[in-house]
Amino acid sequence: NAGVTQTPKFQVLKTGQSMTLQCAQDMNHEYMSWYRQDPGMGLRLIHYSVGAGITDQGEVPNGYNVSRSTTEDFPLRLLSAAPSQTSVYFCASSPRGNQPQHFGDGTRLSIL
Amino acid sequence: AQSVTQPDIHITVSEGASLELRCNYSYGATPYLFWYVQSPGQGLQLLLKYFSGDTLVQGIKGFEAEFKRSQSSFNLRKPSVHWSDAAEYFCAVGRMEYGNKLVFGAGTILRVKS
Repeated sequence: NAGVTQTPKFQVLKTGQSMTLQCAQDMNHEYMSWYRQDPGMGLRLIHYSVGAGITDQGEVPNGYNVSRSTTEDFPLRLLSAAPSQTSVYFCASSPRGNQPQHFGDGTRLSIL
Repeated sequence: AQSVTQPDIHITVSEGASLELRCNYSYGATPYLFWYVQSPGQGLQLLLKYFSGDTLVQGIKGFEAEFKRSQSSFNLRKPSVHWSDAAEYFCAVGRMEYGNKLVFGAGTILRVKS
């Protein structure tokens, strides 16, 4: 059972480039979320989804897009990378109801 | 708006000493509360959670936390710290009905000296 899998683990981009961070879970969880982690700020919610076809914005959505075409996958797209998006990105999933989230190992993204 | 405050950015304790990490929250209803631990370069691992009921909750690795509604606090404790407990600890608050959106504190980095 792989849990929550994030790819890639590391990525370096140039300003203005676009890319997609992948997140997949094999636990049939309905809820999935993306967070970014910056030093001294904890984790902040970017976007989340309560099921296939349903997404909504979190605290810091600007510059990011998401879609949820299947239960398993929840990719995060950077449309035009900016240095302020240099961060560690975590994907998380949980079943509906009173259950905590399971986190992936993160994607470390640097934008030059 | 929900918020979580972890007042201590860094804490250093001696191996074998007791530990208490502080967490205060602001939330308009009864919150669901969590403590997560993160080792360097790793993801977050759930230590314990509080949803309702007994205000003293037990978690993994010998950790416990106490929910005090009157103080809006959910402090994490361990009676005897091991060197392997050195990590960053995050307190989080949320509601499960709305997509499990969590608000995290800024984290406390625990250093253990031998």
